[in-house]
Amino acid sequence: NAGVTQTPKFRVLKTGQSMTLLCAQDMNHEYMYWYRQDPGMGLRLIHYSVGEGTTAKGEVPDGYNVSRLKKQNFLLGLESAAPSQTSVYFCASSELAVQETQYFGPGTRLLVL
Amino acid sequence: ELKVEQNPLFLSMQEGKNYTIYCNYSTTSDRLYWYRQDPGKSLESLFVLLSNGAVKQEGRLMASLDTKARLSTLHITAAVHDLSATYFCAVVNTDKLIFGTGTRLQVFP
Repeated sequence: NAGVTQTPKFRVLKTGQSMTLLCAQDMNHEYMYWYRQDPGMGLRLIHYSVGEGTTAKGEVPDGYNVSRLKKQNFLLGLESAAPSQTSVYFCASSELAVQETQYFGPGTRLLVL
Repeated sequence: ELKVEQNPLFLSMQEGKNYTIYCNYSTTSDRLYWYRQDPGKSLESLFVLLSNGAVKQEGRLMASLDTKARLSTLHITAAVHDLSATYFCAVVNTDKLIFGTGTRLQVFP
């Protein structure tokens, strides 16, 4: 079991460029999440999904879009990157509900110049 | 809106000493997690606390929950260097997990 994987591990973007971060899990979990981690602020929820084909907004959704076309994958898109989106992005999954333990991926470090 | 506060934010402690990290939250919740994050790494679940008075222990770490006070503690006993990491508490709020700001722990000889 690979658990939760993320690609890429690191990326540098110029302001205004777009990109997609991919999260994959092989645990057959229903729930998936995207967080960003900034210094001194802990983790903040961007978007989440309660099952294939569903998405919902978290605490800081602006500037991001997500899709969950397959149960095992959760994509995070930045349509027009801004320096304020420089952060470390973590994907997580949980089996059946947000109340259950979330398993995190290794993270993607994004730098927007 | 649920707020989760941890203190201290940074803790430097000598090996062999004891210390406690505190996690306060602002509204009722029936579940609280403690996670560990090593530098440059992902988050690893340590404990889940489900009810008032719950206590969990693993090795030199012990976590407890007081839902009436909306307070959880993570107690470190006889610290060792391997415990150096950032520790987060996280509280379930309806459909979201809200994280504290983290406590960075450094254990030195």
